[in-house]
Amino acid sequence: GAVVSQHPSRVICKSGTSVKIECRSLDFQATTMFWYRQFPKQSLMLMATSNEGSKATYEQGVEKDKFLINHASLTLSTLTVTSAHPEDSSFYICSARPLGGYTFGSGTRLTVV
Amino acid sequence: AQKITQTQPGMFVQEKEAVTLDCTYDTSDQSYGLFWYKQPSSGEMIFLIYQGSYDEQNATEGRYSLNFQKARKSANLVISASQLGDSAMYFCAMRDLNYGGSQGNLIFGKGTKLSVKP
Repeated sequence: GAVVSQHPSRVICKSGTSVKIECRSLDFQATTMFWYRQFPKQSLMLMATSNEGSKATYEQGVEKDKFLINHASLTLSTLTVTSAHPEDSSFYICSARPLGGYTFGSGTRLTVV
Repeated sequence: AQKITQTQPGMFVQEKEAVTLDCTYDTSDQSYGLFWYKQPSSGEMIFLIYQGSYDEQNATEGRYSLNFQKARKSANLVISASQLGDSAMYFCAMRDLNYGGSQGNLIFGKGTKLSVKP
């Protein structure tokens, strides 16, 4: 089946630094990637939609300059959390739509200290 | 706007018994699809079952079945013969048809935490 590989699975970074999260589609081409954020014991909330070769679409309230999204190829989308702060600590998960449904990465648990 | 409502923050079920997780939805579209996902503590999203709005029969996948009542806009998940490994968060979701800001993503309910007791 279609697989999205997400790395890293867990990262701890210092406040003020940047963290890059990668999502790769392993056996299909992902023209669109959805990025979600999930706070503890809460639901998944869409942050942005990345499209290969064009600018990402951000949801209302999501800072574009803080959460940089790049979708430079049909198999790779990245989310960079810039100048991370403790309030950015969360679970980030990507999702793509190969034929037949949705597939998710395994998620990245970000802790900013 | 589309909305998914899961009113049970937590549920307990005895091992080997059946349990129903509630989900109601709101949409103005005639064609839509409903999904259920399981999220264990590891965080991965595991697809369980899908129901299309035009499907005449309730979807079934092994121990999972979906009690789809279109007129009531409900899509409850039924897990039969619960196992300890079923303990997890369960999310009901549907595709977001709001093309203003996003295309094709899933919108999720708040989830239900299921705990299976031995």
